[in-house]
Amino acid sequence: QQQVKQSPQSLIVQKGGISIINCAYENTAFDYFPWYQQFPGKGPALLIAIRPDVSEKKEGRFTISFNKSAKQFSLHIMDSQPGDSATYFCAASKTGGYQKVTFGTGTKLQVIP
Amino acid sequence: NAGVTQTPKFQVLKTGQSMTLQCAQDMNHEYMSWYRQDPGMGLRLIHYSVGAGITDQGEVPNGYNVSRSTTEDFPLRLLSAAPSQTSVYFCASSPAWWAYKLFFGSGTQLSVL
Repeated sequence: QQQVKQSPQSLIVQKGGISIINCAYENTAFDYFPWYQQFPGKGPALLIAIRPDVSEKKEGRFTISFNKSAKQFSLHIMDSQPGDSATYFCAASKTGGYQKVTFGTGTKLQVIP
Repeated sequence: NAGVTQTPKFQVLKTGQSMTLQCAQDMNHEYMSWYRQDPGMGLRLIHYSVGAGITDQGEVPNGYNVSRSTTEDFPLRLLSAAPSQTSVYFCASSPAWWAYKLFFGSGTQLSVL
């Protein structure tokens, strides 16, 4: 059972455009929603994270939007650049004991000049 | 500042062989974990540890063994390699109070023939 569903699987955006990646979760016990960025040949790195009591969080060109009632959250990359080309993973974790992090299946983003 | 160090970077095994993937972290993180990354399946948790001497199973533990004798080291053992274990393996560490903030190593690409 996939607890975090991510779409699209791949995305091509022109330089300067907006990249949007969507995720949905099922378990209402999740209480942190991080996004990870992975460049080819590297391990994932934490990009930004949000708690469900916040509807939006912005860090530079990266924004997370969160809809608690719909159990959905999304990553928006404004003014996308070729250097943003990477695979992005949404994830969810819950407190209480070890916070297992459950990942989505990933979105491969390509930003073309 | 090394962070999380994984060795080897690449490995080819024959079916039935055993091997150990090494992982070490120098951030004094309590939590360490092993993930495997397969195309279209995201990152799946194999085993994790919340401290020296304490380990537990993740989502896909079969065929793997772990131990944690020190805070720094968390090796992953493949007992009898199978082609289904062909994957990219990532070790990660995180602080106990923010366990969703995973710090990943650079990965081990394993092929089992």
